[in-house]
Amino acid sequence: DTAVSQTPKYLVTQMGNDKSIKCEQNLGHDTMYWYKQDSKKFLKIMFSYNNKELIINETVPNRFSPKSPDKAHLNLHINSLELGDSAVYFCASSRERRGNEQFFGPGTRLTVL
Amino acid sequence: AQTVTQSQPEMSVQEAETVTLSCTYDTSESDYYLFWYKQPPSRQMILVIRQEAYKQQNATENRFSVNFQKAAKSFSLKISDSQLGDAAMYFCAYRSARGGGTSYGKLTFGQGTILTVHP
Repeated sequence: DTAVSQTPKYLVTQMGNDKSIKCEQNLGHDTMYWYKQDSKKFLKIMFSYNNKELIINETVPNRFSPKSPDKAHLNLHINSLELGDSAVYFCASSRERRGNEQFFGPGTRLTVL
Repeated sequence: AQTVTQSQPEMSVQEAETVTLSCTYDTSESDYYLFWYKQPPSRQMILVIRQEAYKQQNATENRFSVNFQKAAKSFSLKISDSQLGDAAMYFCAYRSARGGGTSYGKLTFGQGTILTVHP
């Protein structure tokens, strides 16, 4: 049983396109996150949602828009893709109590050509 | 803002030996959590161990243990009896325990340390 799943796992696209990455968790968690891992493997949070409400919105270009249709899903839509958007994007989820573990999805490797 | 520093880009160890990965962090908070995550080549992020700042006792999980020095803001990971399957990138991460606010739940990661295990 997959706890946190992401689709697609790989995404290759041209500059200027619009693309979406989907994330689903079946753990009953109430908080979900998007992290970006760049080419140097550095991981940085982008967004978090708690009970469908945006909590964290780090300094991310407006071209990135998260959407949470329900507590089990958090999708990431990216407009006008740029070369610098190439990275691995991780979805994570947790039950928001003190210090609870965040469970990560398998990641989506986005390559912008 | 909190920062996490892993000063060892790469480490290596012989199978069955012990290795220690370093992590330091900077924060003005007194209540927080520290984590070590492992990322093997499959790129899946796996939690290795967690430490709560208000607990003086160092966390242990089987062959993995930490040396948490709160005053020094140091949080090292010791892997005993290293196995080939321990080869991965290891990330140290910080999380505030403060409730609410726009940073609640946010994990701040270090740069990572690549661990190679030699047979």
